[in-house]
Amino acid sequence: DVKVTQSSRYLVKRTGEKVFLECVQDMDHENMFWYRQDPGLGLRLIYFSYDVKMKEKGDIPEGYSVSREKKERFSLILESASTNQTSMYLCASSWTSGYNEQFFGPGTRLTVL
Amino acid sequence: RKEVEQDPGPFNVPEGATVAFNCTYSNSASQSFFWYRQDCRKEPKLLMSVYSSGNEDGRFTAQLNRASQYISLLIRDSKLSDSATYLCVVNRRGLNDMRFGAGTRLTVKP
Repeated sequence: DVKVTQSSRYLVKRTGEKVFLECVQDMDHENMFWYRQDPGLGLRLIYFSYDVKMKEKGDIPEGYSVSREKKERFSLILESASTNQTSMYLCASSWTSGYNEQFFGPGTRLTVL
Repeated sequence: RKEVEQDPGPFNVPEGATVAFNCTYSNSASQSFFWYRQDCRKEPKLLMSVYSSGNEDGRFTAQLNRASQYISLLIRDSKLSDSATYLCVVNRRGLNDMRFGAGTRLTVKP
């Protein structure tokens, strides 16, 4: 059974804090993704990675960075959290070739005060 | 124009009804199409892929119209358990770069 786990379900941080969101997958997937989901806007891609140490910007990378030092782990970093980064953050992973269903983690609800 | 557009709903239907959702996409080069389902406070999960020839999985039928750039999802004999948000997903560039619609919310009532 594919499993994508995220480090926290709920997180409350203060404006200006550095925030780390971690995602781990156990299926040896090449691709990993970070999305944020907001009401009415759906899922928006922040960054994705198709290999270790590789990353590509998605649609809304501003204010975020990512790190992928190991194949199974993909971290999202908010260098200086702001209130407009309050959102649900979802991590996903998929294989590169063939059937590229994305498997999602349970999400992290981040509130920035 | 959004890359992937869906009617947000909500669609409120009685049990046993047939309901259809459409989704339009802007990139004519898109090759991969999916419907995902997201239950309240849960993560999205794949419902079905959408093939050029159309495909069916039990009560669910998905179709693709490349000329008009839309995909559809038909749910027959709706069950209470079908209540969820249905997300349309289309690849942008490369098979792994997906874009999600904002979702269509369905509530099936007894």
